[in-house]
Amino acid sequence: AQTVTQSQPEMSVQEAETVTLSCTYDTSESDYYLFWYKQPPSRQMILVIRQEAYKQQNATENRFSVNFQKAAKSFSLKISDSQLGDAAMYFCAYRRGGGADGLTFGKGTHLIIQP
Amino acid sequence: DSGVTQTPKHLITATGQRVTLRCSPRSGDLSVYWYQQSLDQGLQFLIQYYNGEERAKGNILERFSAQQFPDLHSELNLSSLELGDSALYFCASSVATGLQNIQYFGAGTRLSVL
Repeated sequence: AQTVTQSQPEMSVQEAETVTLSCTYDTSESDYYLFWYKQPPSRQMILVIRQEAYKQQNATENRFSVNFQKAAKSFSLKISDSQLGDAAMYFCAYRRGGGADGLTFGKGTHLIIQP
Repeated sequence: DSGVTQTPKHLITATGQRVTLRCSPRSGDLSVYWYQQSLDQGLQFLIQYYNGEERAKGNILERFSAQQFPDLHSELNLSSLELGDSALYFCASSVATGLQNIQYFGAGTRLSVL
């Protein structure tokens, strides 16, 4: 079974600085997607960014980018120019190919933004 | 607003009782997923439906069941409730089941079992 590990329960960063959240996963599949979801205090799960395993180019969405290392099974999230609104729980998630399956989530990283 | 509607937002009940959680997917989405978020287990996938049929099962207990109706809304039924069933239950929807389809989450139903 696939597993997703987030080794940082909590991270803190100064406003306007850059922070990197770590995620590793374990799978024997070759076709899969990886995701980062954000959960602010409102509890809503919001998709931040996603990466297809077959794409070598790292995904980027505005201030958010990933470092996808397929051989190492690593998928980190970099947040540049951190803003107060970035404060939230961040979950790394995996979904295997085939389409008939849900997301497997890590335990999450609580990101604190210091003003 | 994701477009996925979950009702009720909060539910308080007693052990041994049965409750039904409701989810209306985004307009046009055929696939519905249910997830449970608890302090002990984190976020867990429970079950997936596509166009009225069950497509995948995750860590869903036998006391729990779900269905998707012809109008594509879905219900998650939880019976013989235990204290440990207290959690946030999310519904998510996507256009289809393919890997590339993004799952959009509702705001969740907070279940408290007393």
